Amino acid sequence: IAGITQAPTSQILAAGRRMTLRCTQDMRHNAMYWYRQDLGLGLRLIHYSNTAGTTGKGEVPDGYSVSRANTDDFPLTLASAVPSQTSVYFCASSDSSGRTDTQYFGPGTRLTVL
Amino acid sequence: AQSVTQLDSQVPVFEEAPVELRCNYSSSVSVYLFWYVQYPNQGLQLLLKYLSGSTLVKGINGFEAEFNKSQTSFHLRKPSVHISDTAEYFCAVSVLSYNTDKLIFGTGTRLQVFP
Repeated sequence: IAGITQAPTSQILAAGRRMTLRCTQDMRHNAMYWYRQDLGLGLRLIHYSNTAGTTGKGEVPDGYSVSRANTDDFPLTLASAVPSQTSVYFCASSDSSGRTDTQYFGPGTRLTVL
Repeated sequence: AQSVTQLDSQVPVFEEAPVELRCNYSSSVSVYLFWYVQYPNQGLQLLLKYLSGSTLVKGINGFEAEFNKSQTSFHLRKPSVHISDTAEYFCAVSVLSYNTDKLIFGTGTRLQVFP
């Protein structure tokens, strides 16, 4: 069982370029999330999806977009990357969007925007 | 507003010594509390969670945490650490925001275990 896979593992990107981070889960979880992890700031929620076909904004959504065409995939797109988007990005999923549910995390994508 | 404070950014400790990682939260409503661990170059995984009932929660790898409502704390403890416990530990609180659950994470505590 793979759980959650993310691609690429790492990427160096020129500012202004468009980039899509991929996330796929094989647990048939309804809810999925994108976080960014920055030193001293912990994890911050970018976008979430409670179920396929729906998405919502988290704490730091500006400059990012997501889609949820099916249960398994939840790509994160940076339309025009800026250096402040240099971070480690984690995708996560949970069985439902309930408050008690455990979130399962992918291995992360390290993104550097120059 | 809900928030989570992890008081120590780094905790160095020798192998086989006890350790406590501190977490305080602020919330005007009832909360669910979580501890996640992140090993080097990996994603986060759940250590334990408090939902209700007994205030002492046992998790994986010998860790436990105690929910203290009066002190709004959820400190993580282990009586004897191993080198393999070296990792980043995140406390998180679950709140209901709009129509979805949202986890609010603390800034993390890096546990460094020395031989």
